[in-house]
Amino acid sequence: DAGITQSPRHKVTETGTPVTLRCHQTENHRYMYWYRQDPGHGLRLIHYSYGVKDTDKGEVSDGYSVSRSKTEDFLLTLESATSSQTSVYFCAISGAPGQGGSPLHFGNGTRLTVT
Amino acid sequence: AQSVAQPEDQVNVAEGNPLTVKCTYSVSGNPYLFWYVQYPNRGLQFLLKYITGDNLVKGSYGFEAEFNKSQTSFHLKKPSALVSDSALYFCAVRPTASGTYKYIFGTGTRLKVLA
Repeated sequence: DAGITQSPRHKVTETGTPVTLRCHQTENHRYMYWYRQDPGHGLRLIHYSYGVKDTDKGEVSDGYSVSRSKTEDFLLTLESATSSQTSVYFCAISGAPGQGGSPLHFGNGTRLTVT
Repeated sequence: AQSVAQPEDQVNVAEGNPLTVKCTYSVSGNPYLFWYVQYPNRGLQFLLKYITGDNLVKGSYGFEAEFNKSQTSFHLKKPSALVSDSALYFCAVRPTASGTYKYIFGTGTRLKVLA
């Protein structure tokens, strides 16, 4: 796997609590992404980053925020967790999506359960 | 809206037979096209991509994919399936419009290779 570490790997939390997931990369890639995977929906983009402090929303960004204060770390925060946010969350990185179609490389995911 | 369709939730094939996993897309311009594979409790792994050129592209583990511009399709193929190919497969598209860094995924197709 590319040098991508997601933490924690598993988390159970209660409705209404804030949760932060971390993605750490050692590839010095500029572009980082957060997806969620749900049966029947495939992967849906939550937020992505195209540089330090440069982020943008994906298709399912409501209830989520992100921060990227340095190249290697991309944090995803659930401001007030809800049961609908129970999912598997994947971080992905890309070196240069605008040059030659660089593919995404994925971490191993975080399984989040909101009770 | 831009989208990727994988019309089959599951494909069953006997070991040694050829396999095809279908993908069509609705994206303007000339997008980059990708296939990924996911094994249980793991992140997605890149298999192959189409950027330009020959309509038949070869990738990892003996997989190949055929691009058809008129049908906006990018079907994944393998001449002889192995039981170890059983996994979840995702098609993805990256639009090439200026300033676009998003990758759009299909809902996935589960491939089951029967011994």
